[in-house]
Amino acid sequence: QVQLVQSGSELKKPGASVKVSCKASGYTFTSSAMNWVRQAPGQGLEWMGWINTNTGNPTYAQGFTGRFVFSLDTSVSTAYLQISSLKTEDTAMYYCASSTMIRGVIYWFDPWGQGTLVIVSS
Amino acid sequence: QSALTQPASVSGSPGQSITISCTGTSSDVGGYNYVSWYQQHPGKAPRLMIYDVSNRPSGVSYRFSGSKSGNTASLIISGLQAEDEADYYCSSYTSSSTRVFGGGTKLTVL
Repeated sequence: QVQLVQSGSELKKPGASVKVSCKASGYTFTSSAMNWVRQAPGQGLEWMGWINTNTGNPTYAQGFTGRFVFSLDTSVSTAYLQISSLKTEDTAMYYCASSTMIRGVIYWFDPWGQGTLVIVSS
Repeated sequence: QSALTQPASVSGSPGQSITISCTGTSSDVGGYNYVSWYQQHPGKAPRLMIYDVSNRPSGVSYRFSGSKSGNTASLIISGLQAEDEADYYCSSYTSSSTRVFGGGTKLTVL
């Protein structure tokens, strides 16, 4: 079945970096865009941006430029989110979510990964 | 891009119908028929419930439906069941070629 499986929880110190993976299966990886969504503790969903799985070109939402990097390894159908110079406010659940992308339009998010909890604490 | 506006909470009794609104602008909700809705139970990943305003994915109960009027989209849940108690989020495509979520609505089944 179509699914996204993310890497496990991470505990990091402020200033460190973290790399979250999202492995796709059950469909052609390059046929859909990959999105990243953040959910801080007790808060709502926040779209971080997406990466074109054909070209590798990322698009970052406002507030997610500079320290956030989306990347791919299409040989293993995996997308990555790297966050550098971690801050305590980066503590959140991070989800990957696949979406159809046609002529620049990002459609609905389905499926979703199970989420990766990143905790930043000294 | 500002978040779409949803009520913080709604409630209803089993068997009743409820509506969750999602208000944006002509640059997002009002400008495109690309509104989707997600259900999230505590500790779980979001689940797609409605896409492109009113389409229901395979496996989603017929009790869930969606509509849109102007800059406001709505999720309607009929015949409320205890299992419907969850957080619900809307999302829209925007004129900036991005996506934006609503702030989320907590549904309580009384």
